[in-house]
Amino acid sequence: DAMVIQNPRYQVTQFGKPVTLSCSQTLNHNVMYWYQQKSSQAPKLLFHYYDKDFNNEADTPDNFQSRRPNTSFCFLDIRSPGLGDAAMYLCATSGNLEEQYFGPGTRLTVT
Amino acid sequence: GQQLNQSPQSMFIQEGEDVSMNCTSSSIFNTWLWYKQEPGEGPVLLIALYKAGELTSNGRLTAQFGITRKDSFLNISASIPSDVGIYFCAGPDNYGQNFVFGPGTRLSVLP
Repeated sequence: DAMVIQNPRYQVTQFGKPVTLSCSQTLNHNVMYWYQQKSSQAPKLLFHYYDKDFNNEADTPDNFQSRRPNTSFCFLDIRSPGLGDAAMYLCATSGNLEEQYFGPGTRLTVT
Repeated sequence: GQQLNQSPQSMFIQEGEDVSMNCTSSSIFNTWLWYKQEPGEGPVLLIALYKAGELTSNGRLTAQFGITRKDSFLNISASIPSDVGIYFCAGPDNYGQNFVFGPGTRLSVLP
């Protein structure tokens, strides 16, 4: 089945220790998104790639970076995680900008 | 920017009851999406609506695209315990490549 895959599902990192979350897709969609979600709130968009074009949301902290080496993979790098960065991180894709498909998420804990 | 509102914010119902929730906006949307998110998982797309007035079913779920293009409704018939979760409405924004999310309706089903 075509899908969006996120690894790991659970990640524990120490305060200030860089961490990378990964996302891959078999849908061959050209747009990939990274969201942060806290406490059952709506997902909050961090940034997205349209093909290789990177689009950062204005209020996304500089601490968050992303890489998309190819169509299938996208990475979220948190350079110096703080306690406030503990959240669910969701990757999503879209092929037609009408529907969006999510991965299962990575739950990040910062100790 | 565009915003989506959902009501009710939360609901507690008895197993077997029908459920109705809605999503409204002050601006027009050209596509309406309904997602369900269970604890610890990513949102799963339930139904996508593309035309004003459209009524679409997915098993016990039925959703409608409002004729004003500013609202949508989701109904769940004969609720069961596995319907528990947060239901988000969403739609592509009219300005670019992003999606707008409502705050969600949290559904609890009592046995």
